Amino acid sequence: DGGITQSPKYLFRKEGQNVTLSCEQNLNHDAMYWYRQDPGQGLRLIYYSQIVNDFQKGDIAEGYSVSREKKESFPLTVTSAQKNPTAFYLCASSHPEVRQLAMNTEAFFGQGTRLTVV
Amino acid sequence: KQEVTQIPAALSVPEGENLVLNCSFTDSAIYNLQWFRQDPGKGLTSLLLIQSSQREQTSGRLNASLDKSSGRSTLYIAASQPGDSATYLCAAMKAAGNKLTFGGGTRVLVKP
Repeated sequence: DGGITQSPKYLFRKEGQNVTLSCEQNLNHDAMYWYRQDPGQGLRLIYYSQIVNDFQKGDIAEGYSVSREKKESFPLTVTSAQKNPTAFYLCASSHPEVRQLAMNTEAFFGQGTRLTVV
Repeated sequence: KQEVTQIPAALSVPEGENLVLNCSFTDSAIYNLQWFRQDPGKGLTSLLLIQSSQREQTSGRLNASLDKSSGRSTLYIAASQPGDSATYLCAAMKAAGNKLTFGGGTRVLVKP
């Protein structure tokens, strides 16, 4: 099945630890994104990548880092510098731009990782 | 900076009634607008995508319209069912950079 897989579904972090959230897609999409969702709120963009080996900060990048070494993978590391990391993290992918008329830019999301600081 | 707003934040209707969900955006220079559904504790499921050159898209009981000049999109759900209970989010994609900016969502409850 084509889609986006996030793992783990639940993650617990101790104070001062770095943790890495996994996001893999087999949709052959060039663009990938990480969003954070807090209770009762919309999604805020952390980082996004339009192509392998390139990524840009979103609106709330402080305390997070990413890498994009492969087209299929876009892991997010939550560092100890992130002061309030407890949240629901969502990964998405899409084509960054229409290169052919038949291609659309619909974004698809994974099922999320719930991170809790203990 | 693009701002996307969804009003109301919550909506409760009896089964069978039509649902009208509103989304407004401040920057009309969008590439497309997408509507999503989110069930509690789950990821987002794409419902409809409207390209900037289109006025509406339809899928089954769902119809979404787009008016770039007024900065509005509306999602209509006909003959609502209890299974339609969820949070609905709209997101505007920037013309360049491909960032999706989300509204805060409308939480819908359809009562049997």
